[in-house]
Amino acid sequence: LAKTTQPISMDSYEGQEVNITCSHNNIATNDYITWYQQFPSQGPRFIIQGYKTKVTNEVASLFIPADRKSSTLSLPRVSLSDTAVYYCLVGGEMYTDKLIFGTGTRLQVFP
Amino acid sequence: GAVVSQHPSRVICKSGTSVKIECRSLDFQATTMFWYRQFPKQSLMLMATSNEGSKATYEQGVEKDKFLINHASLTLSTLTVTSAHPEDSSFYICSASPGRGTREQYFGPGTRLTVT
Repeated sequence: LAKTTQPISMDSYEGQEVNITCSHNNIATNDYITWYQQFPSQGPRFIIQGYKTKVTNEVASLFIPADRKSSTLSLPRVSLSDTAVYYCLVGGEMYTDKLIFGTGTRLQVFP
Repeated sequence: GAVVSQHPSRVICKSGTSVKIECRSLDFQATTMFWYRQFPKQSLMLMATSNEGSKATYEQGVEKDKFLINHASLTLSTLTVTSAHPEDSSFYICSASPGRGTREQYFGPGTRLTVT
């Protein structure tokens, strides 16, 4: 399973765009990249998933370069409620694949 | 979307007793569920993979005799912490996937275990 590296923490202000980059140099051909969000004392919540190029949904965008050795989660115009820990995971070609969580990035949004 | 529930949400028990935590997939069937443990300010650590109708697969360093997993049906997996000690106090989270057609894992809300 590919190991991921993310910044431990990031600070931002309300209304700004936040970009969190994750490195996964050993990503396998069949691996997908998935981002989860976790609030204190809650289970993680799926944000977005992609394989290559760019994926966008109603809450975020995911940018994946051609070599797929990294990915960037982009949160447009963050609010205080986006303060959470964000995890980047790779793998999961099969729904039965186990997920190995890295350290995650603790995002703090200030007013 | 798919919903995973856990019960209880929090539990306090005395040292030496056993505690059972339930994980249910409410609107889908799951042949595979996963159990995680999370200590304060730390990431989720995978404990085991729960397989319906067969034995669980434990991660290295996780004592299978201490953390008993039973996946008796396609919608229910249970984790029993046997002879609990204060160091077992943690946040336990399960996850499951609806299966084919999605690679997304759905996580339960977690169970806060405190052993006194």
